[in-house]
Amino acid sequence: GAGVSQSPSNKVTEKGKDVELRCDPISGHTALYWYRQSLGQGLEFLIYFQGNSAPDKSGLPSDRFSAERTGGSVSTLTIQRTQQEDSAVYLCASSPPGRVNQPQHFGDGTRLSIL
Amino acid sequence: TQLLEQSPQFLSIQEGENLTVYCNSSSVFSSLQWYRQEPGEGPVLLVTVVTGGEVKKLKRLTFQFGDARKDSSLHITAAQPGDTGLYLCAGGSQGNLIFGKGTKLSVKP
Repeated sequence: GAGVSQSPSNKVTEKGKDVELRCDPISGHTALYWYRQSLGQGLEFLIYFQGNSAPDKSGLPSDRFSAERTGGSVSTLTIQRTQQEDSAVYLCASSPPGRVNQPQHFGDGTRLSIL
Repeated sequence: TQLLEQSPQFLSIQEGENLTVYCNSSSVFSSLQWYRQEPGEGPVLLVTVVTGGEVKKLKRLTFQFGDARKDSSLHITAAQPGDTGLYLCAGGSQGNLIFGKGTKLSVKP
């Protein structure tokens, strides 16, 4: 497809388990972003990848959260030892190269529920 | 810390009414974007404004960027049920965007 693809669309897991969320950005987009959105709320920035530069991890809420971007394309967000407060929708976005603050193209998110 | 405050948080109106939602900050942004998000989907970009005082129109939607580039407004004329959704503003900073918490709009037929 032409858009940002996220998988799984829904994930239910038990407290304490690790989870991996995947994001396939739009081909050719150099920037990739992860956000967290609690029910009906705005977007909380987590991490930002731009090309081959070191990622901006300033939004990660704890050391249980990490993300990788392999080959400048697919990204995986990992949450270790999940807690109930991690329940949220995790959104990924990508944007094309060019000047800063290009429009972001979002996937439909992964809805994560921690029991 | 840069913050964007959106108001009102919730808005419920009848079809055909006009409305304005606001996005305010004490910080200057290089650009400001408005997104609309429907349930179960990711946000979709509506418009980007970059110049202080800029006004952009998108059919029944009018977007304005404040002269000082610290605030913005979105005005919808003759709202329709299809306008229902969460409206998010986002300010451009150093590579990433700062998002407001959004205005949840419900337009009833």
